[in-house]
Amino acid sequence: DAGITQSPRHKVTETGTPVTLRCHQTENHRYMYWYRQDPGHGLRLIHYSYGVKDTDKGEVSDGYSVSRSKTEDFLLTLESATSSQTSVYFCAISNRGPYNEQFFGPGTRLTVL
Amino acid sequence: AQSVTQLGSHVSVSEGALVLLRCNYSSSVPPYLFWYVQYPNQGLQLLLKYTSAATLVKGINGFEAEFKKSETSFHLTKPSAHMSDAAEYFCAVSPGNQFYFGTGTSLTVIP
Repeated sequence: DAGITQSPRHKVTETGTPVTLRCHQTENHRYMYWYRQDPGHGLRLIHYSYGVKDTDKGEVSDGYSVSRSKTEDFLLTLESATSSQTSVYFCAISNRGPYNEQFFGPGTRLTVL
Repeated sequence: AQSVTQLGSHVSVSEGALVLLRCNYSSSVPPYLFWYVQYPNQGLQLLLKYTSAATLVKGINGFEAEFKKSETSFHLTKPSAHMSDAAEYFCAVSPGNQFYFGTGTSLTVIP
């Protein structure tokens, strides 16, 4: 299995609070992705990174920001969490970009009350 | 716009029966296509991928999928379902810039 960890695995927070989710990889893959998974929507891309300090928006980026200061770490921040951001968040990595398969982390279940 | 449609959000089959999960895509360029499986409370795991080398692609756990350009389809099949196949299955398309996932099909295997 690809070495991908996500922390925390579960989090409950209140509306309006900032939240940061961390994705850590030990594979030295160039590309990293953040998705959210919601019933009836499958997985939707939030942001992705194609290198250190190189990031771009995905399909559902509003309300989220990301940072990648090291190859191995990709952070997802909810500046002011809302109930609509209650979801399961998955990190994925890829070594050669979107044409190639992505390897997924175990997910973070976030509940915003 | 790129998109993936998975027909049937829930599919039930008897153990030993054929599994058929449907996926249709729309893409303005020849796509790369993928099937992933997700077991409860886990991340997604790659089953197989199509990258234009062959239209019939074999994956793990006895699954295979056939790329049909004329039908813009990439249906997933397995000749004989096993109880351990119960999971959620996602089709994804990558036209080159990012992945687009279908909404998933939950497979139930009846003993």
